[in-house]
This record gives sequence, C-alpha cells and structure tokens, in this order.
Amino acid sequence: SQQGEEDPQALSIQEGENATMNCSYKTSINNLQWYRQNSGRGLVHLILIRSNEREKHSGRLRVTLDTSKKSSSLLITASRAADTASYFCATDARGAQKLVFGQGTRLTINP
Amino acid sequence: GAVVSQHPSWVICKSGTSVKIECRSLDFQATTMFWYRQFPKQSLMLMATSNEGSKATYEQGVEKDKFLINHASLTLSTLTVTSAHPEDSSFYICSVLGRVGDTQYFGPGTRLTVL
Repeated sequence: SQQGEEDPQALSIQEGENATMNCSYKTSINNLQWYRQNSGRGLVHLILIRSNEREKHSGRLRVTLDTSKKSSSLLITASRAADTASYFCATDARGAQKLVFGQGTRLTINP
Repeated sequence: GAVVSQHPSWVICKSGTSVKIECRSLDFQATTMFWYRQFPKQSLMLMATSNEGSKATYEQGVEKDKFLINHASLTLSTLTVTSAHPEDSSFYICSVLGRVGDTQYFGPGTRLTVL
C-alpha cells in the first residue's frame, strides 16, 4: 500500500524562488529518499536521509526529517526552469529493501 | 551510482500479444532488481522484486502468471507482459539495488501501449 503522502500535489513558482515539498509516512523507516522524474522519464536519485539524521544538504537541496512526526521536507533553493519535474519521496520499511513511493509533487518553475 | 538501461523505450502492440521488456545493469552486478508500474500522473507502484537465480516476489494484487519476471543473470532482468490488454498500457520502470543496499537506481522506463 502507498505509504507516503506528499503535499502540495502541484506547485508553481517563479524562477529564483524557493520550492518546498513535504512528505509524510506511516511506519518506522531506515531511511527516506527523494527522487526527481522529468516527464516520461525514469527517476533520478536526489538525496537519502537516514532515520538518525535530521537534516541533509546537497547543492541547492535541503532535506529535513522528523521521525517523531513521520515527515520530511525537500527545499530547492534558487529554483531554475530545469528544476521543473515531479518529485517523489520514498521510504523503506525497516528490514525491507523495497521502497514505497509518495504520490509526488509536480513542480513547475516559470521563467 | 549505477547505470541502468531498459529496452525497448516504447512499444505498441495488439491486444492478446506478449511483450518482453529488458532491464540491464550496465556497470555492476545486481543481485536485486525491482519492477514498477506507473500510470499517467500517478506514482510508482511496485510490482515485484527480482532476485538473481530465484523466483521473483510479487506484490499483492499483481498476477505472477501475467507478468513473468526472469532474472537469469546479475546484469539482466526481464518482464514479460503476457496476453496484453489495453488496461496493461502503462509506463514500466525497473530499478537496481545499489552496492550499499539502500539506494535504488532507475532505468529510463518503457512505455507500453496496447491497442
């Protein structure tokens, strides 16, 4: 069953602004990952945050994890038109290798 | 990371025919691969976990006789959609479990259209 819920479902902002996407999940996890998918393409791995980490950075990406609230956020700073894509969070249940994906956020960056 | 390819990238077939999709790990040997299905504007749904040399593990609700998975080598897993019907039209994506075992690397996907 789908574990992750993401909001917003769609987000449209101006180039240069920051974009924040949120993800909530239901069960205990080992880690949470964020992926990007351009239309009609495969998924690109962005960042992995482990259950004992609270924040992680990678370039213009900042991910937070709050295991007490079972939620995570992805912040993209100084957005660019090329950031236009769908973003998915994915969680693994403890002891399992398989991932469960959220519904995704469709991000549109307007030039 | 890992480089994953899929073939074909798109396929159109008639209802009732079978279609085989290949997933290859190009730069390392993958003992575990995953197959997902994605309908338009929806998320990925795991169909099955493919382990080299053993039978695939299917998710609840996925018909194993309809979606045949063969992971015969450490670099290749195949998904065969048997007796395809229009409702099987979807985007099929495979992934490879990375060396560390906690990150999946995805292929570019195969768009199947059944007429």
